[in-house]
Amino acid sequence: DGGITQSPKYLFRKEGQNVTLSCEQNLNHDAMYWYRQDPGQGLRLIYYSQIVNDFQKGDIAEGYSVSREKKESFPLTVTSAQKNPTAFYLCAATAHGGTEAFFGQGTRLTVV
Amino acid sequence: AQTVTQSQPEMSVQEAETVTLSCTYDTSENNYYLFWYKQPPSRQMILVIRQEAYKQQNATENRFSVNFQKAAKSFSLKISDSQLGDTAMYFCAFIEEGTYKYIFGTGTRLKVLA
Repeated sequence: DGGITQSPKYLFRKEGQNVTLSCEQNLNHDAMYWYRQDPGQGLRLIYYSQIVNDFQKGDIAEGYSVSREKKESFPLTVTSAQKNPTAFYLCAATAHGGTEAFFGQGTRLTVV
Repeated sequence: AQTVTQSQPEMSVQEAETVTLSCTYDTSENNYYLFWYKQPPSRQMILVIRQEAYKQQNATENRFSVNFQKAAKSFSLKISDSQLGDTAMYFCAFIEEGTYKYIFGTGTRLKVLA
């Protein structure tokens, strides 16, 4: 089936550790996105990438990093610099600007 | 900067009734796209409806329709004949033409009551 695959579904991290969330797509879509979802704050854009080897900061990029070495993959690293990383993270992809965004099932990250 | 505002954090509606969810946005551009997405308890985001700003006709998808007021920068979602399966978070989203920055609102939690 075509779609967006995020892994793992649940992730626990100790304070001070970096952790990487995986996002893979087989839709052949150009653009990929990472959002953070917190209660009452909706979806906030962390990073997005229009094309391989290029990405832009979203509204809350501090403490996060990404790479886009392959069209189908857009991993997100939550670094120890992120002050409050516990949240639900969603990855999405679009064919091009203005089209429907397809989302993964999300990763719930908890700092313990 | 582009912003999307949903002023109703929570709403409820009786089954079979009609409910309207509000969304306003801010942009200085003339061409853009607006969306409503649904996030049920499974948390899987699903597209409900899409509107192109250059089209005056309001988009409709079965029981879902929008009231797009470009001058007022308003984009409300009307759900007719509400069903229990409509219970979900609803997000309004916006993207300017020629860009890839997809912006979402804070969401409205809708509960359909039996």
